[in-house]
Amino acid sequence: DAGITQSPRHKVTETGTPVTLRCHQTENHRYMYWYRQDPGHGLRLIHYSYGVKDTDKGEVSDGYSVSRSKTEDFLLTLESATSSQTSVYFCAISVRGCSGTAIYFGEGSCLTVV
Amino acid sequence: TQLLEQSPQFLSIQEGENLTVYCNSSSVFSSLQWYRQEPGEGPVLLVTVVTGGEVKKLKRLTFQFGDARKDSSLHITAAQPGDTGLYLCAGVIGGTSYGKLTFGQGTILTVHP
Repeated sequence: DAGITQSPRHKVTETGTPVTLRCHQTENHRYMYWYRQDPGHGLRLIHYSYGVKDTDKGEVSDGYSVSRSKTEDFLLTLESATSSQTSVYFCAISVRGCSGTAIYFGEGSCLTVV
Repeated sequence: TQLLEQSPQFLSIQEGENLTVYCNSSSVFSSLQWYRQEPGEGPVLLVTVVTGGEVKKLKRLTFQFGDARKDSSLHITAAQPGDTGLYLCAGVIGGTSYGKLTFGQGTILTVHP
């Protein structure tokens, strides 16, 4: 599982409240990613990071911000949650190995905005 | 507009049957990956194909990358109930990071005993 831990795994929050999801990795990988998964859309990239304090936007970044102050932690923040942000959020890392690059995903964080 | 069109979206078959899932795009991908996902878990990488025309086999699963690197297929021979799950294709365009993937909508496969 490449040592990826997401927290919380489940959260219900009210519209307009801030929410932060945490992704923690134990193996010092440089690249980290946040995806959201919704029925009929597969997974879509929200933001990614290529190092401490180096982040960039993905395909669906509106309404989300990220921070990476340490190599091991990549935080995703919804400043003011909306019902359209109800989704399952996955953190991922990319690992270069002998047979190429592999992507490993965390177990997901299920967020419900009511 | 979905960059990667995956078909079919749903597939329900009997144990022992063969099946093929398709992943098509108008864009050229530098590589394409196939994932399998079970409920409550993250996607797990099955294979990466890089070269146009490449064929890779993983036990009863055969993956093919189109010659023009715009399409791919996953063929499962003699499907088993343990193959049930969500199958996702994902592609990388150009020289971007391997983690910046564009995903298809997914195919939900159900194999009945």
